[in-house]
Amino acid sequence: GAVVSQHPSWVICKSGTSVKIECRSLDFQATTMFWYRQFPKQSLMLMATSNEGSKATYEQGVEKDKFLINHASLTLSTLTVTSAHPEDSSFYICSARESSGTGDTQYFGPGTRLTVL
Amino acid sequence: SQQGEEDPQALSIQEGENATMNCSYKTSINNLQWYRQNSGRGLVHLILIRSNEREKHSGRLRVTLDTSKKSSSLLITASRAADTASYFCATDRVSARQLTFGSGTQLTVLP
Repeated sequence: GAVVSQHPSWVICKSGTSVKIECRSLDFQATTMFWYRQFPKQSLMLMATSNEGSKATYEQGVEKDKFLINHASLTLSTLTVTSAHPEDSSFYICSARESSGTGDTQYFGPGTRLTVL
Repeated sequence: SQQGEEDPQALSIQEGENATMNCSYKTSINNLQWYRQNSGRGLVHLILIRSNEREKHSGRLRVTLDTSKKSSSLLITASRAADTASYFCATDRVSARQLTFGSGTQLTVLP
């Protein structure tokens, strides 16, 4: 199956700093990518849908100015957590959608663990 | 927001026993998928069942889908300690082109 990578796999930062997470589709082009957040022992919650060449669509309750999403190419989407605070500590997972004649398939990255001190 | 709920929230069984997890959802779907997640790791896709299918098998996995009840079940037969993980169902809804996840079941298989 298709591969989605994330970088970094983990990051520790100080409160108030910004952190950028990259999501890449390695062997297919993805016009749409998704960003999920997962708190310990909880399910994945969709944060936003990232569309190549246009603005991201954010889910209710997700601050677009805090979680900046850029989808500049068909293989790369970035999530920047601005002015991070300890409550932003979480596991962030991206997903890329591959469209084919038989329908859409979402492939998931391995996740990025963010710890804000 | 989550599409639905899974039960049980946690399940502990002995190695060799079968494990059954259930998923309920709320809206019409194109397909339903099951994923496994080991602690602190990414998701592993297990199986996809389309809305016009009622049952699907893959190795030790058996998935059923009842669209009239808006529910699905995942059966893992002859469980192994390595099956210990969280299991999530995810729905591909007709109304939205992204996966929405259930609340998950934490499975522990005791050796």
